[in-house]
Amino acid sequence: GNSVTQMEGPVTLSEEAFLTINCTYTATGYPSLFWYVQYPGEGLQLLLKATKADDKGSNKGFEATYRKETTSFHLEKGSVQVSDSAVYFCALIDNAGNMLTFGGGTRLMVKP
Amino acid sequence: DAGVIQSPRHEVTEMGQEVTLRCKPISGHDYLFWYRQTMMRGLELLIYFNNNVPIDDSGMPEDRFSAKMPNASFSTLKIQPSEPRDSAVYFCASSLQPLSSYNEQFFGPGTRLTVL
Repeated sequence: GNSVTQMEGPVTLSEEAFLTINCTYTATGYPSLFWYVQYPGEGLQLLLKATKADDKGSNKGFEATYRKETTSFHLEKGSVQVSDSAVYFCALIDNAGNMLTFGGGTRLMVKP
Repeated sequence: DAGVIQSPRHEVTEMGQEVTLRCKPISGHDYLFWYRQTMMRGLELLIYFNNNVPIDDSGMPEDRFSAKMPNASFSTLKIQPSEPRDSAVYFCASSLQPLSSYNEQFFGPGTRLTVL
């Protein structure tokens, strides 16, 4: 079956630090890959996505590149802000399914 | 559009009581999903509907849980009787048909359930 593995948190950074949150996946075929963000007290929101190998998704300064050779979709941001503090979820949809498969989530805490 | 609407936002109840969570999906969305989020188990898909019909309920933990979608604009998740281990945040989400990389899944704000 499909699975998504994320690095465990919490990840604690100072403002303006570089962020990487690792995500690897197992899936049949060529899945589409997503990053969702959950701010405190809110539901999940789509942050970015990539639909095929070597695609780069980007939004709000975050980016992630679909690497089929390493089955990875790591999330990066060059300079984090306190407002980026949230839980980040990596997810996939395979070609056959109607369901998102989520990773366990990684909590990011950014200190001023 | 107001997005996915869930009620109540917070629910505190005693063990053994019936709990009903409600969801209004985004108008025009054909898929509706119920998730449960806990610290221990993360985000779990409980059940999803397509055009008001339950398609996959394999994530429903046990017979105490039931979900209905009587029409395209309303769904309920019921727990009877509730137990302390049911304490979690329950999310409802909806999407256009079919769910794919081009049709985003939109989440509601969640209902935080505490069973004492």
